[in-house]
Amino acid sequence: AQSVTQLGSHVSVSEGALVLLRCNYSSSVPPYLFWYVQYPNQGLQLLLKYTSAATLVKGINGFEAEFKKSETSFHLTKPSAHMSDAAEYFCAVKTSGGGADGLTFGKGTHLIIQP
Amino acid sequence: DTAVSQTPKYLVTQMGNDKSIKCEQNLGHDTMYWYKQDSKKFLKIMFSYNNKELIINETVPNRFSPKSPDKAHLNLHINSLELGDSAVYFCASSLYTDTQYFGPGTRLTVL
Repeated sequence: AQSVTQLGSHVSVSEGALVLLRCNYSSSVPPYLFWYVQYPNQGLQLLLKYTSAATLVKGINGFEAEFKKSETSFHLTKPSAHMSDAAEYFCAVKTSGGGADGLTFGKGTHLIIQP
Repeated sequence: DTAVSQTPKYLVTQMGNDKSIKCEQNLGHDTMYWYKQDSKKFLKIMFSYNNKELIINETVPNRFSPKSPDKAHLNLHINSLELGDSAVYFCASSLYTDTQYFGPGTRLTVL
């Protein structure tokens, strides 16, 4: 079985500050890992994904994440927060051999940007 | 062009009614999914279909029945709606093991 833990249901940062959203996973086989963003009353938009290529993954809107197998982590970062980054962020995992398996999501982190 | 679309966007209905949510994707994907997002925003897979064949059926009440008339459509029919069915339902699609793309969601409210 696989699982995802997102530390911090709410994270607040000042505009221009570093954004760090934490994600730890549990998987018995090599995982595929994803970060999705959900703006209010909208669907989920893919930010970035790790599929066993480069461990540092760059995504859209200036976000990136680093896969660390030893720490079973896939934390999301952005050097400088913008007001438009305020949203709900979800980390998700899928086993690499999982075929049509669904994603297992973390509980989400609500990112608040202070002016 | 909307890649994954759902109708309706909002659905308000009474307990005991039967309702359907439609999903269509124009990405040429062969796998489609239904997820449920509860009031705490937790997302959980309900079903997945690959080439019109049911692959995953998580512990979902049998009042929920997915139907896939073709690879581009996956509809969700819900019988005898209950208060606990109130949630946002998301459709998604992928090319088998690749990235899943999500629709805008359908907010179901059962009164």
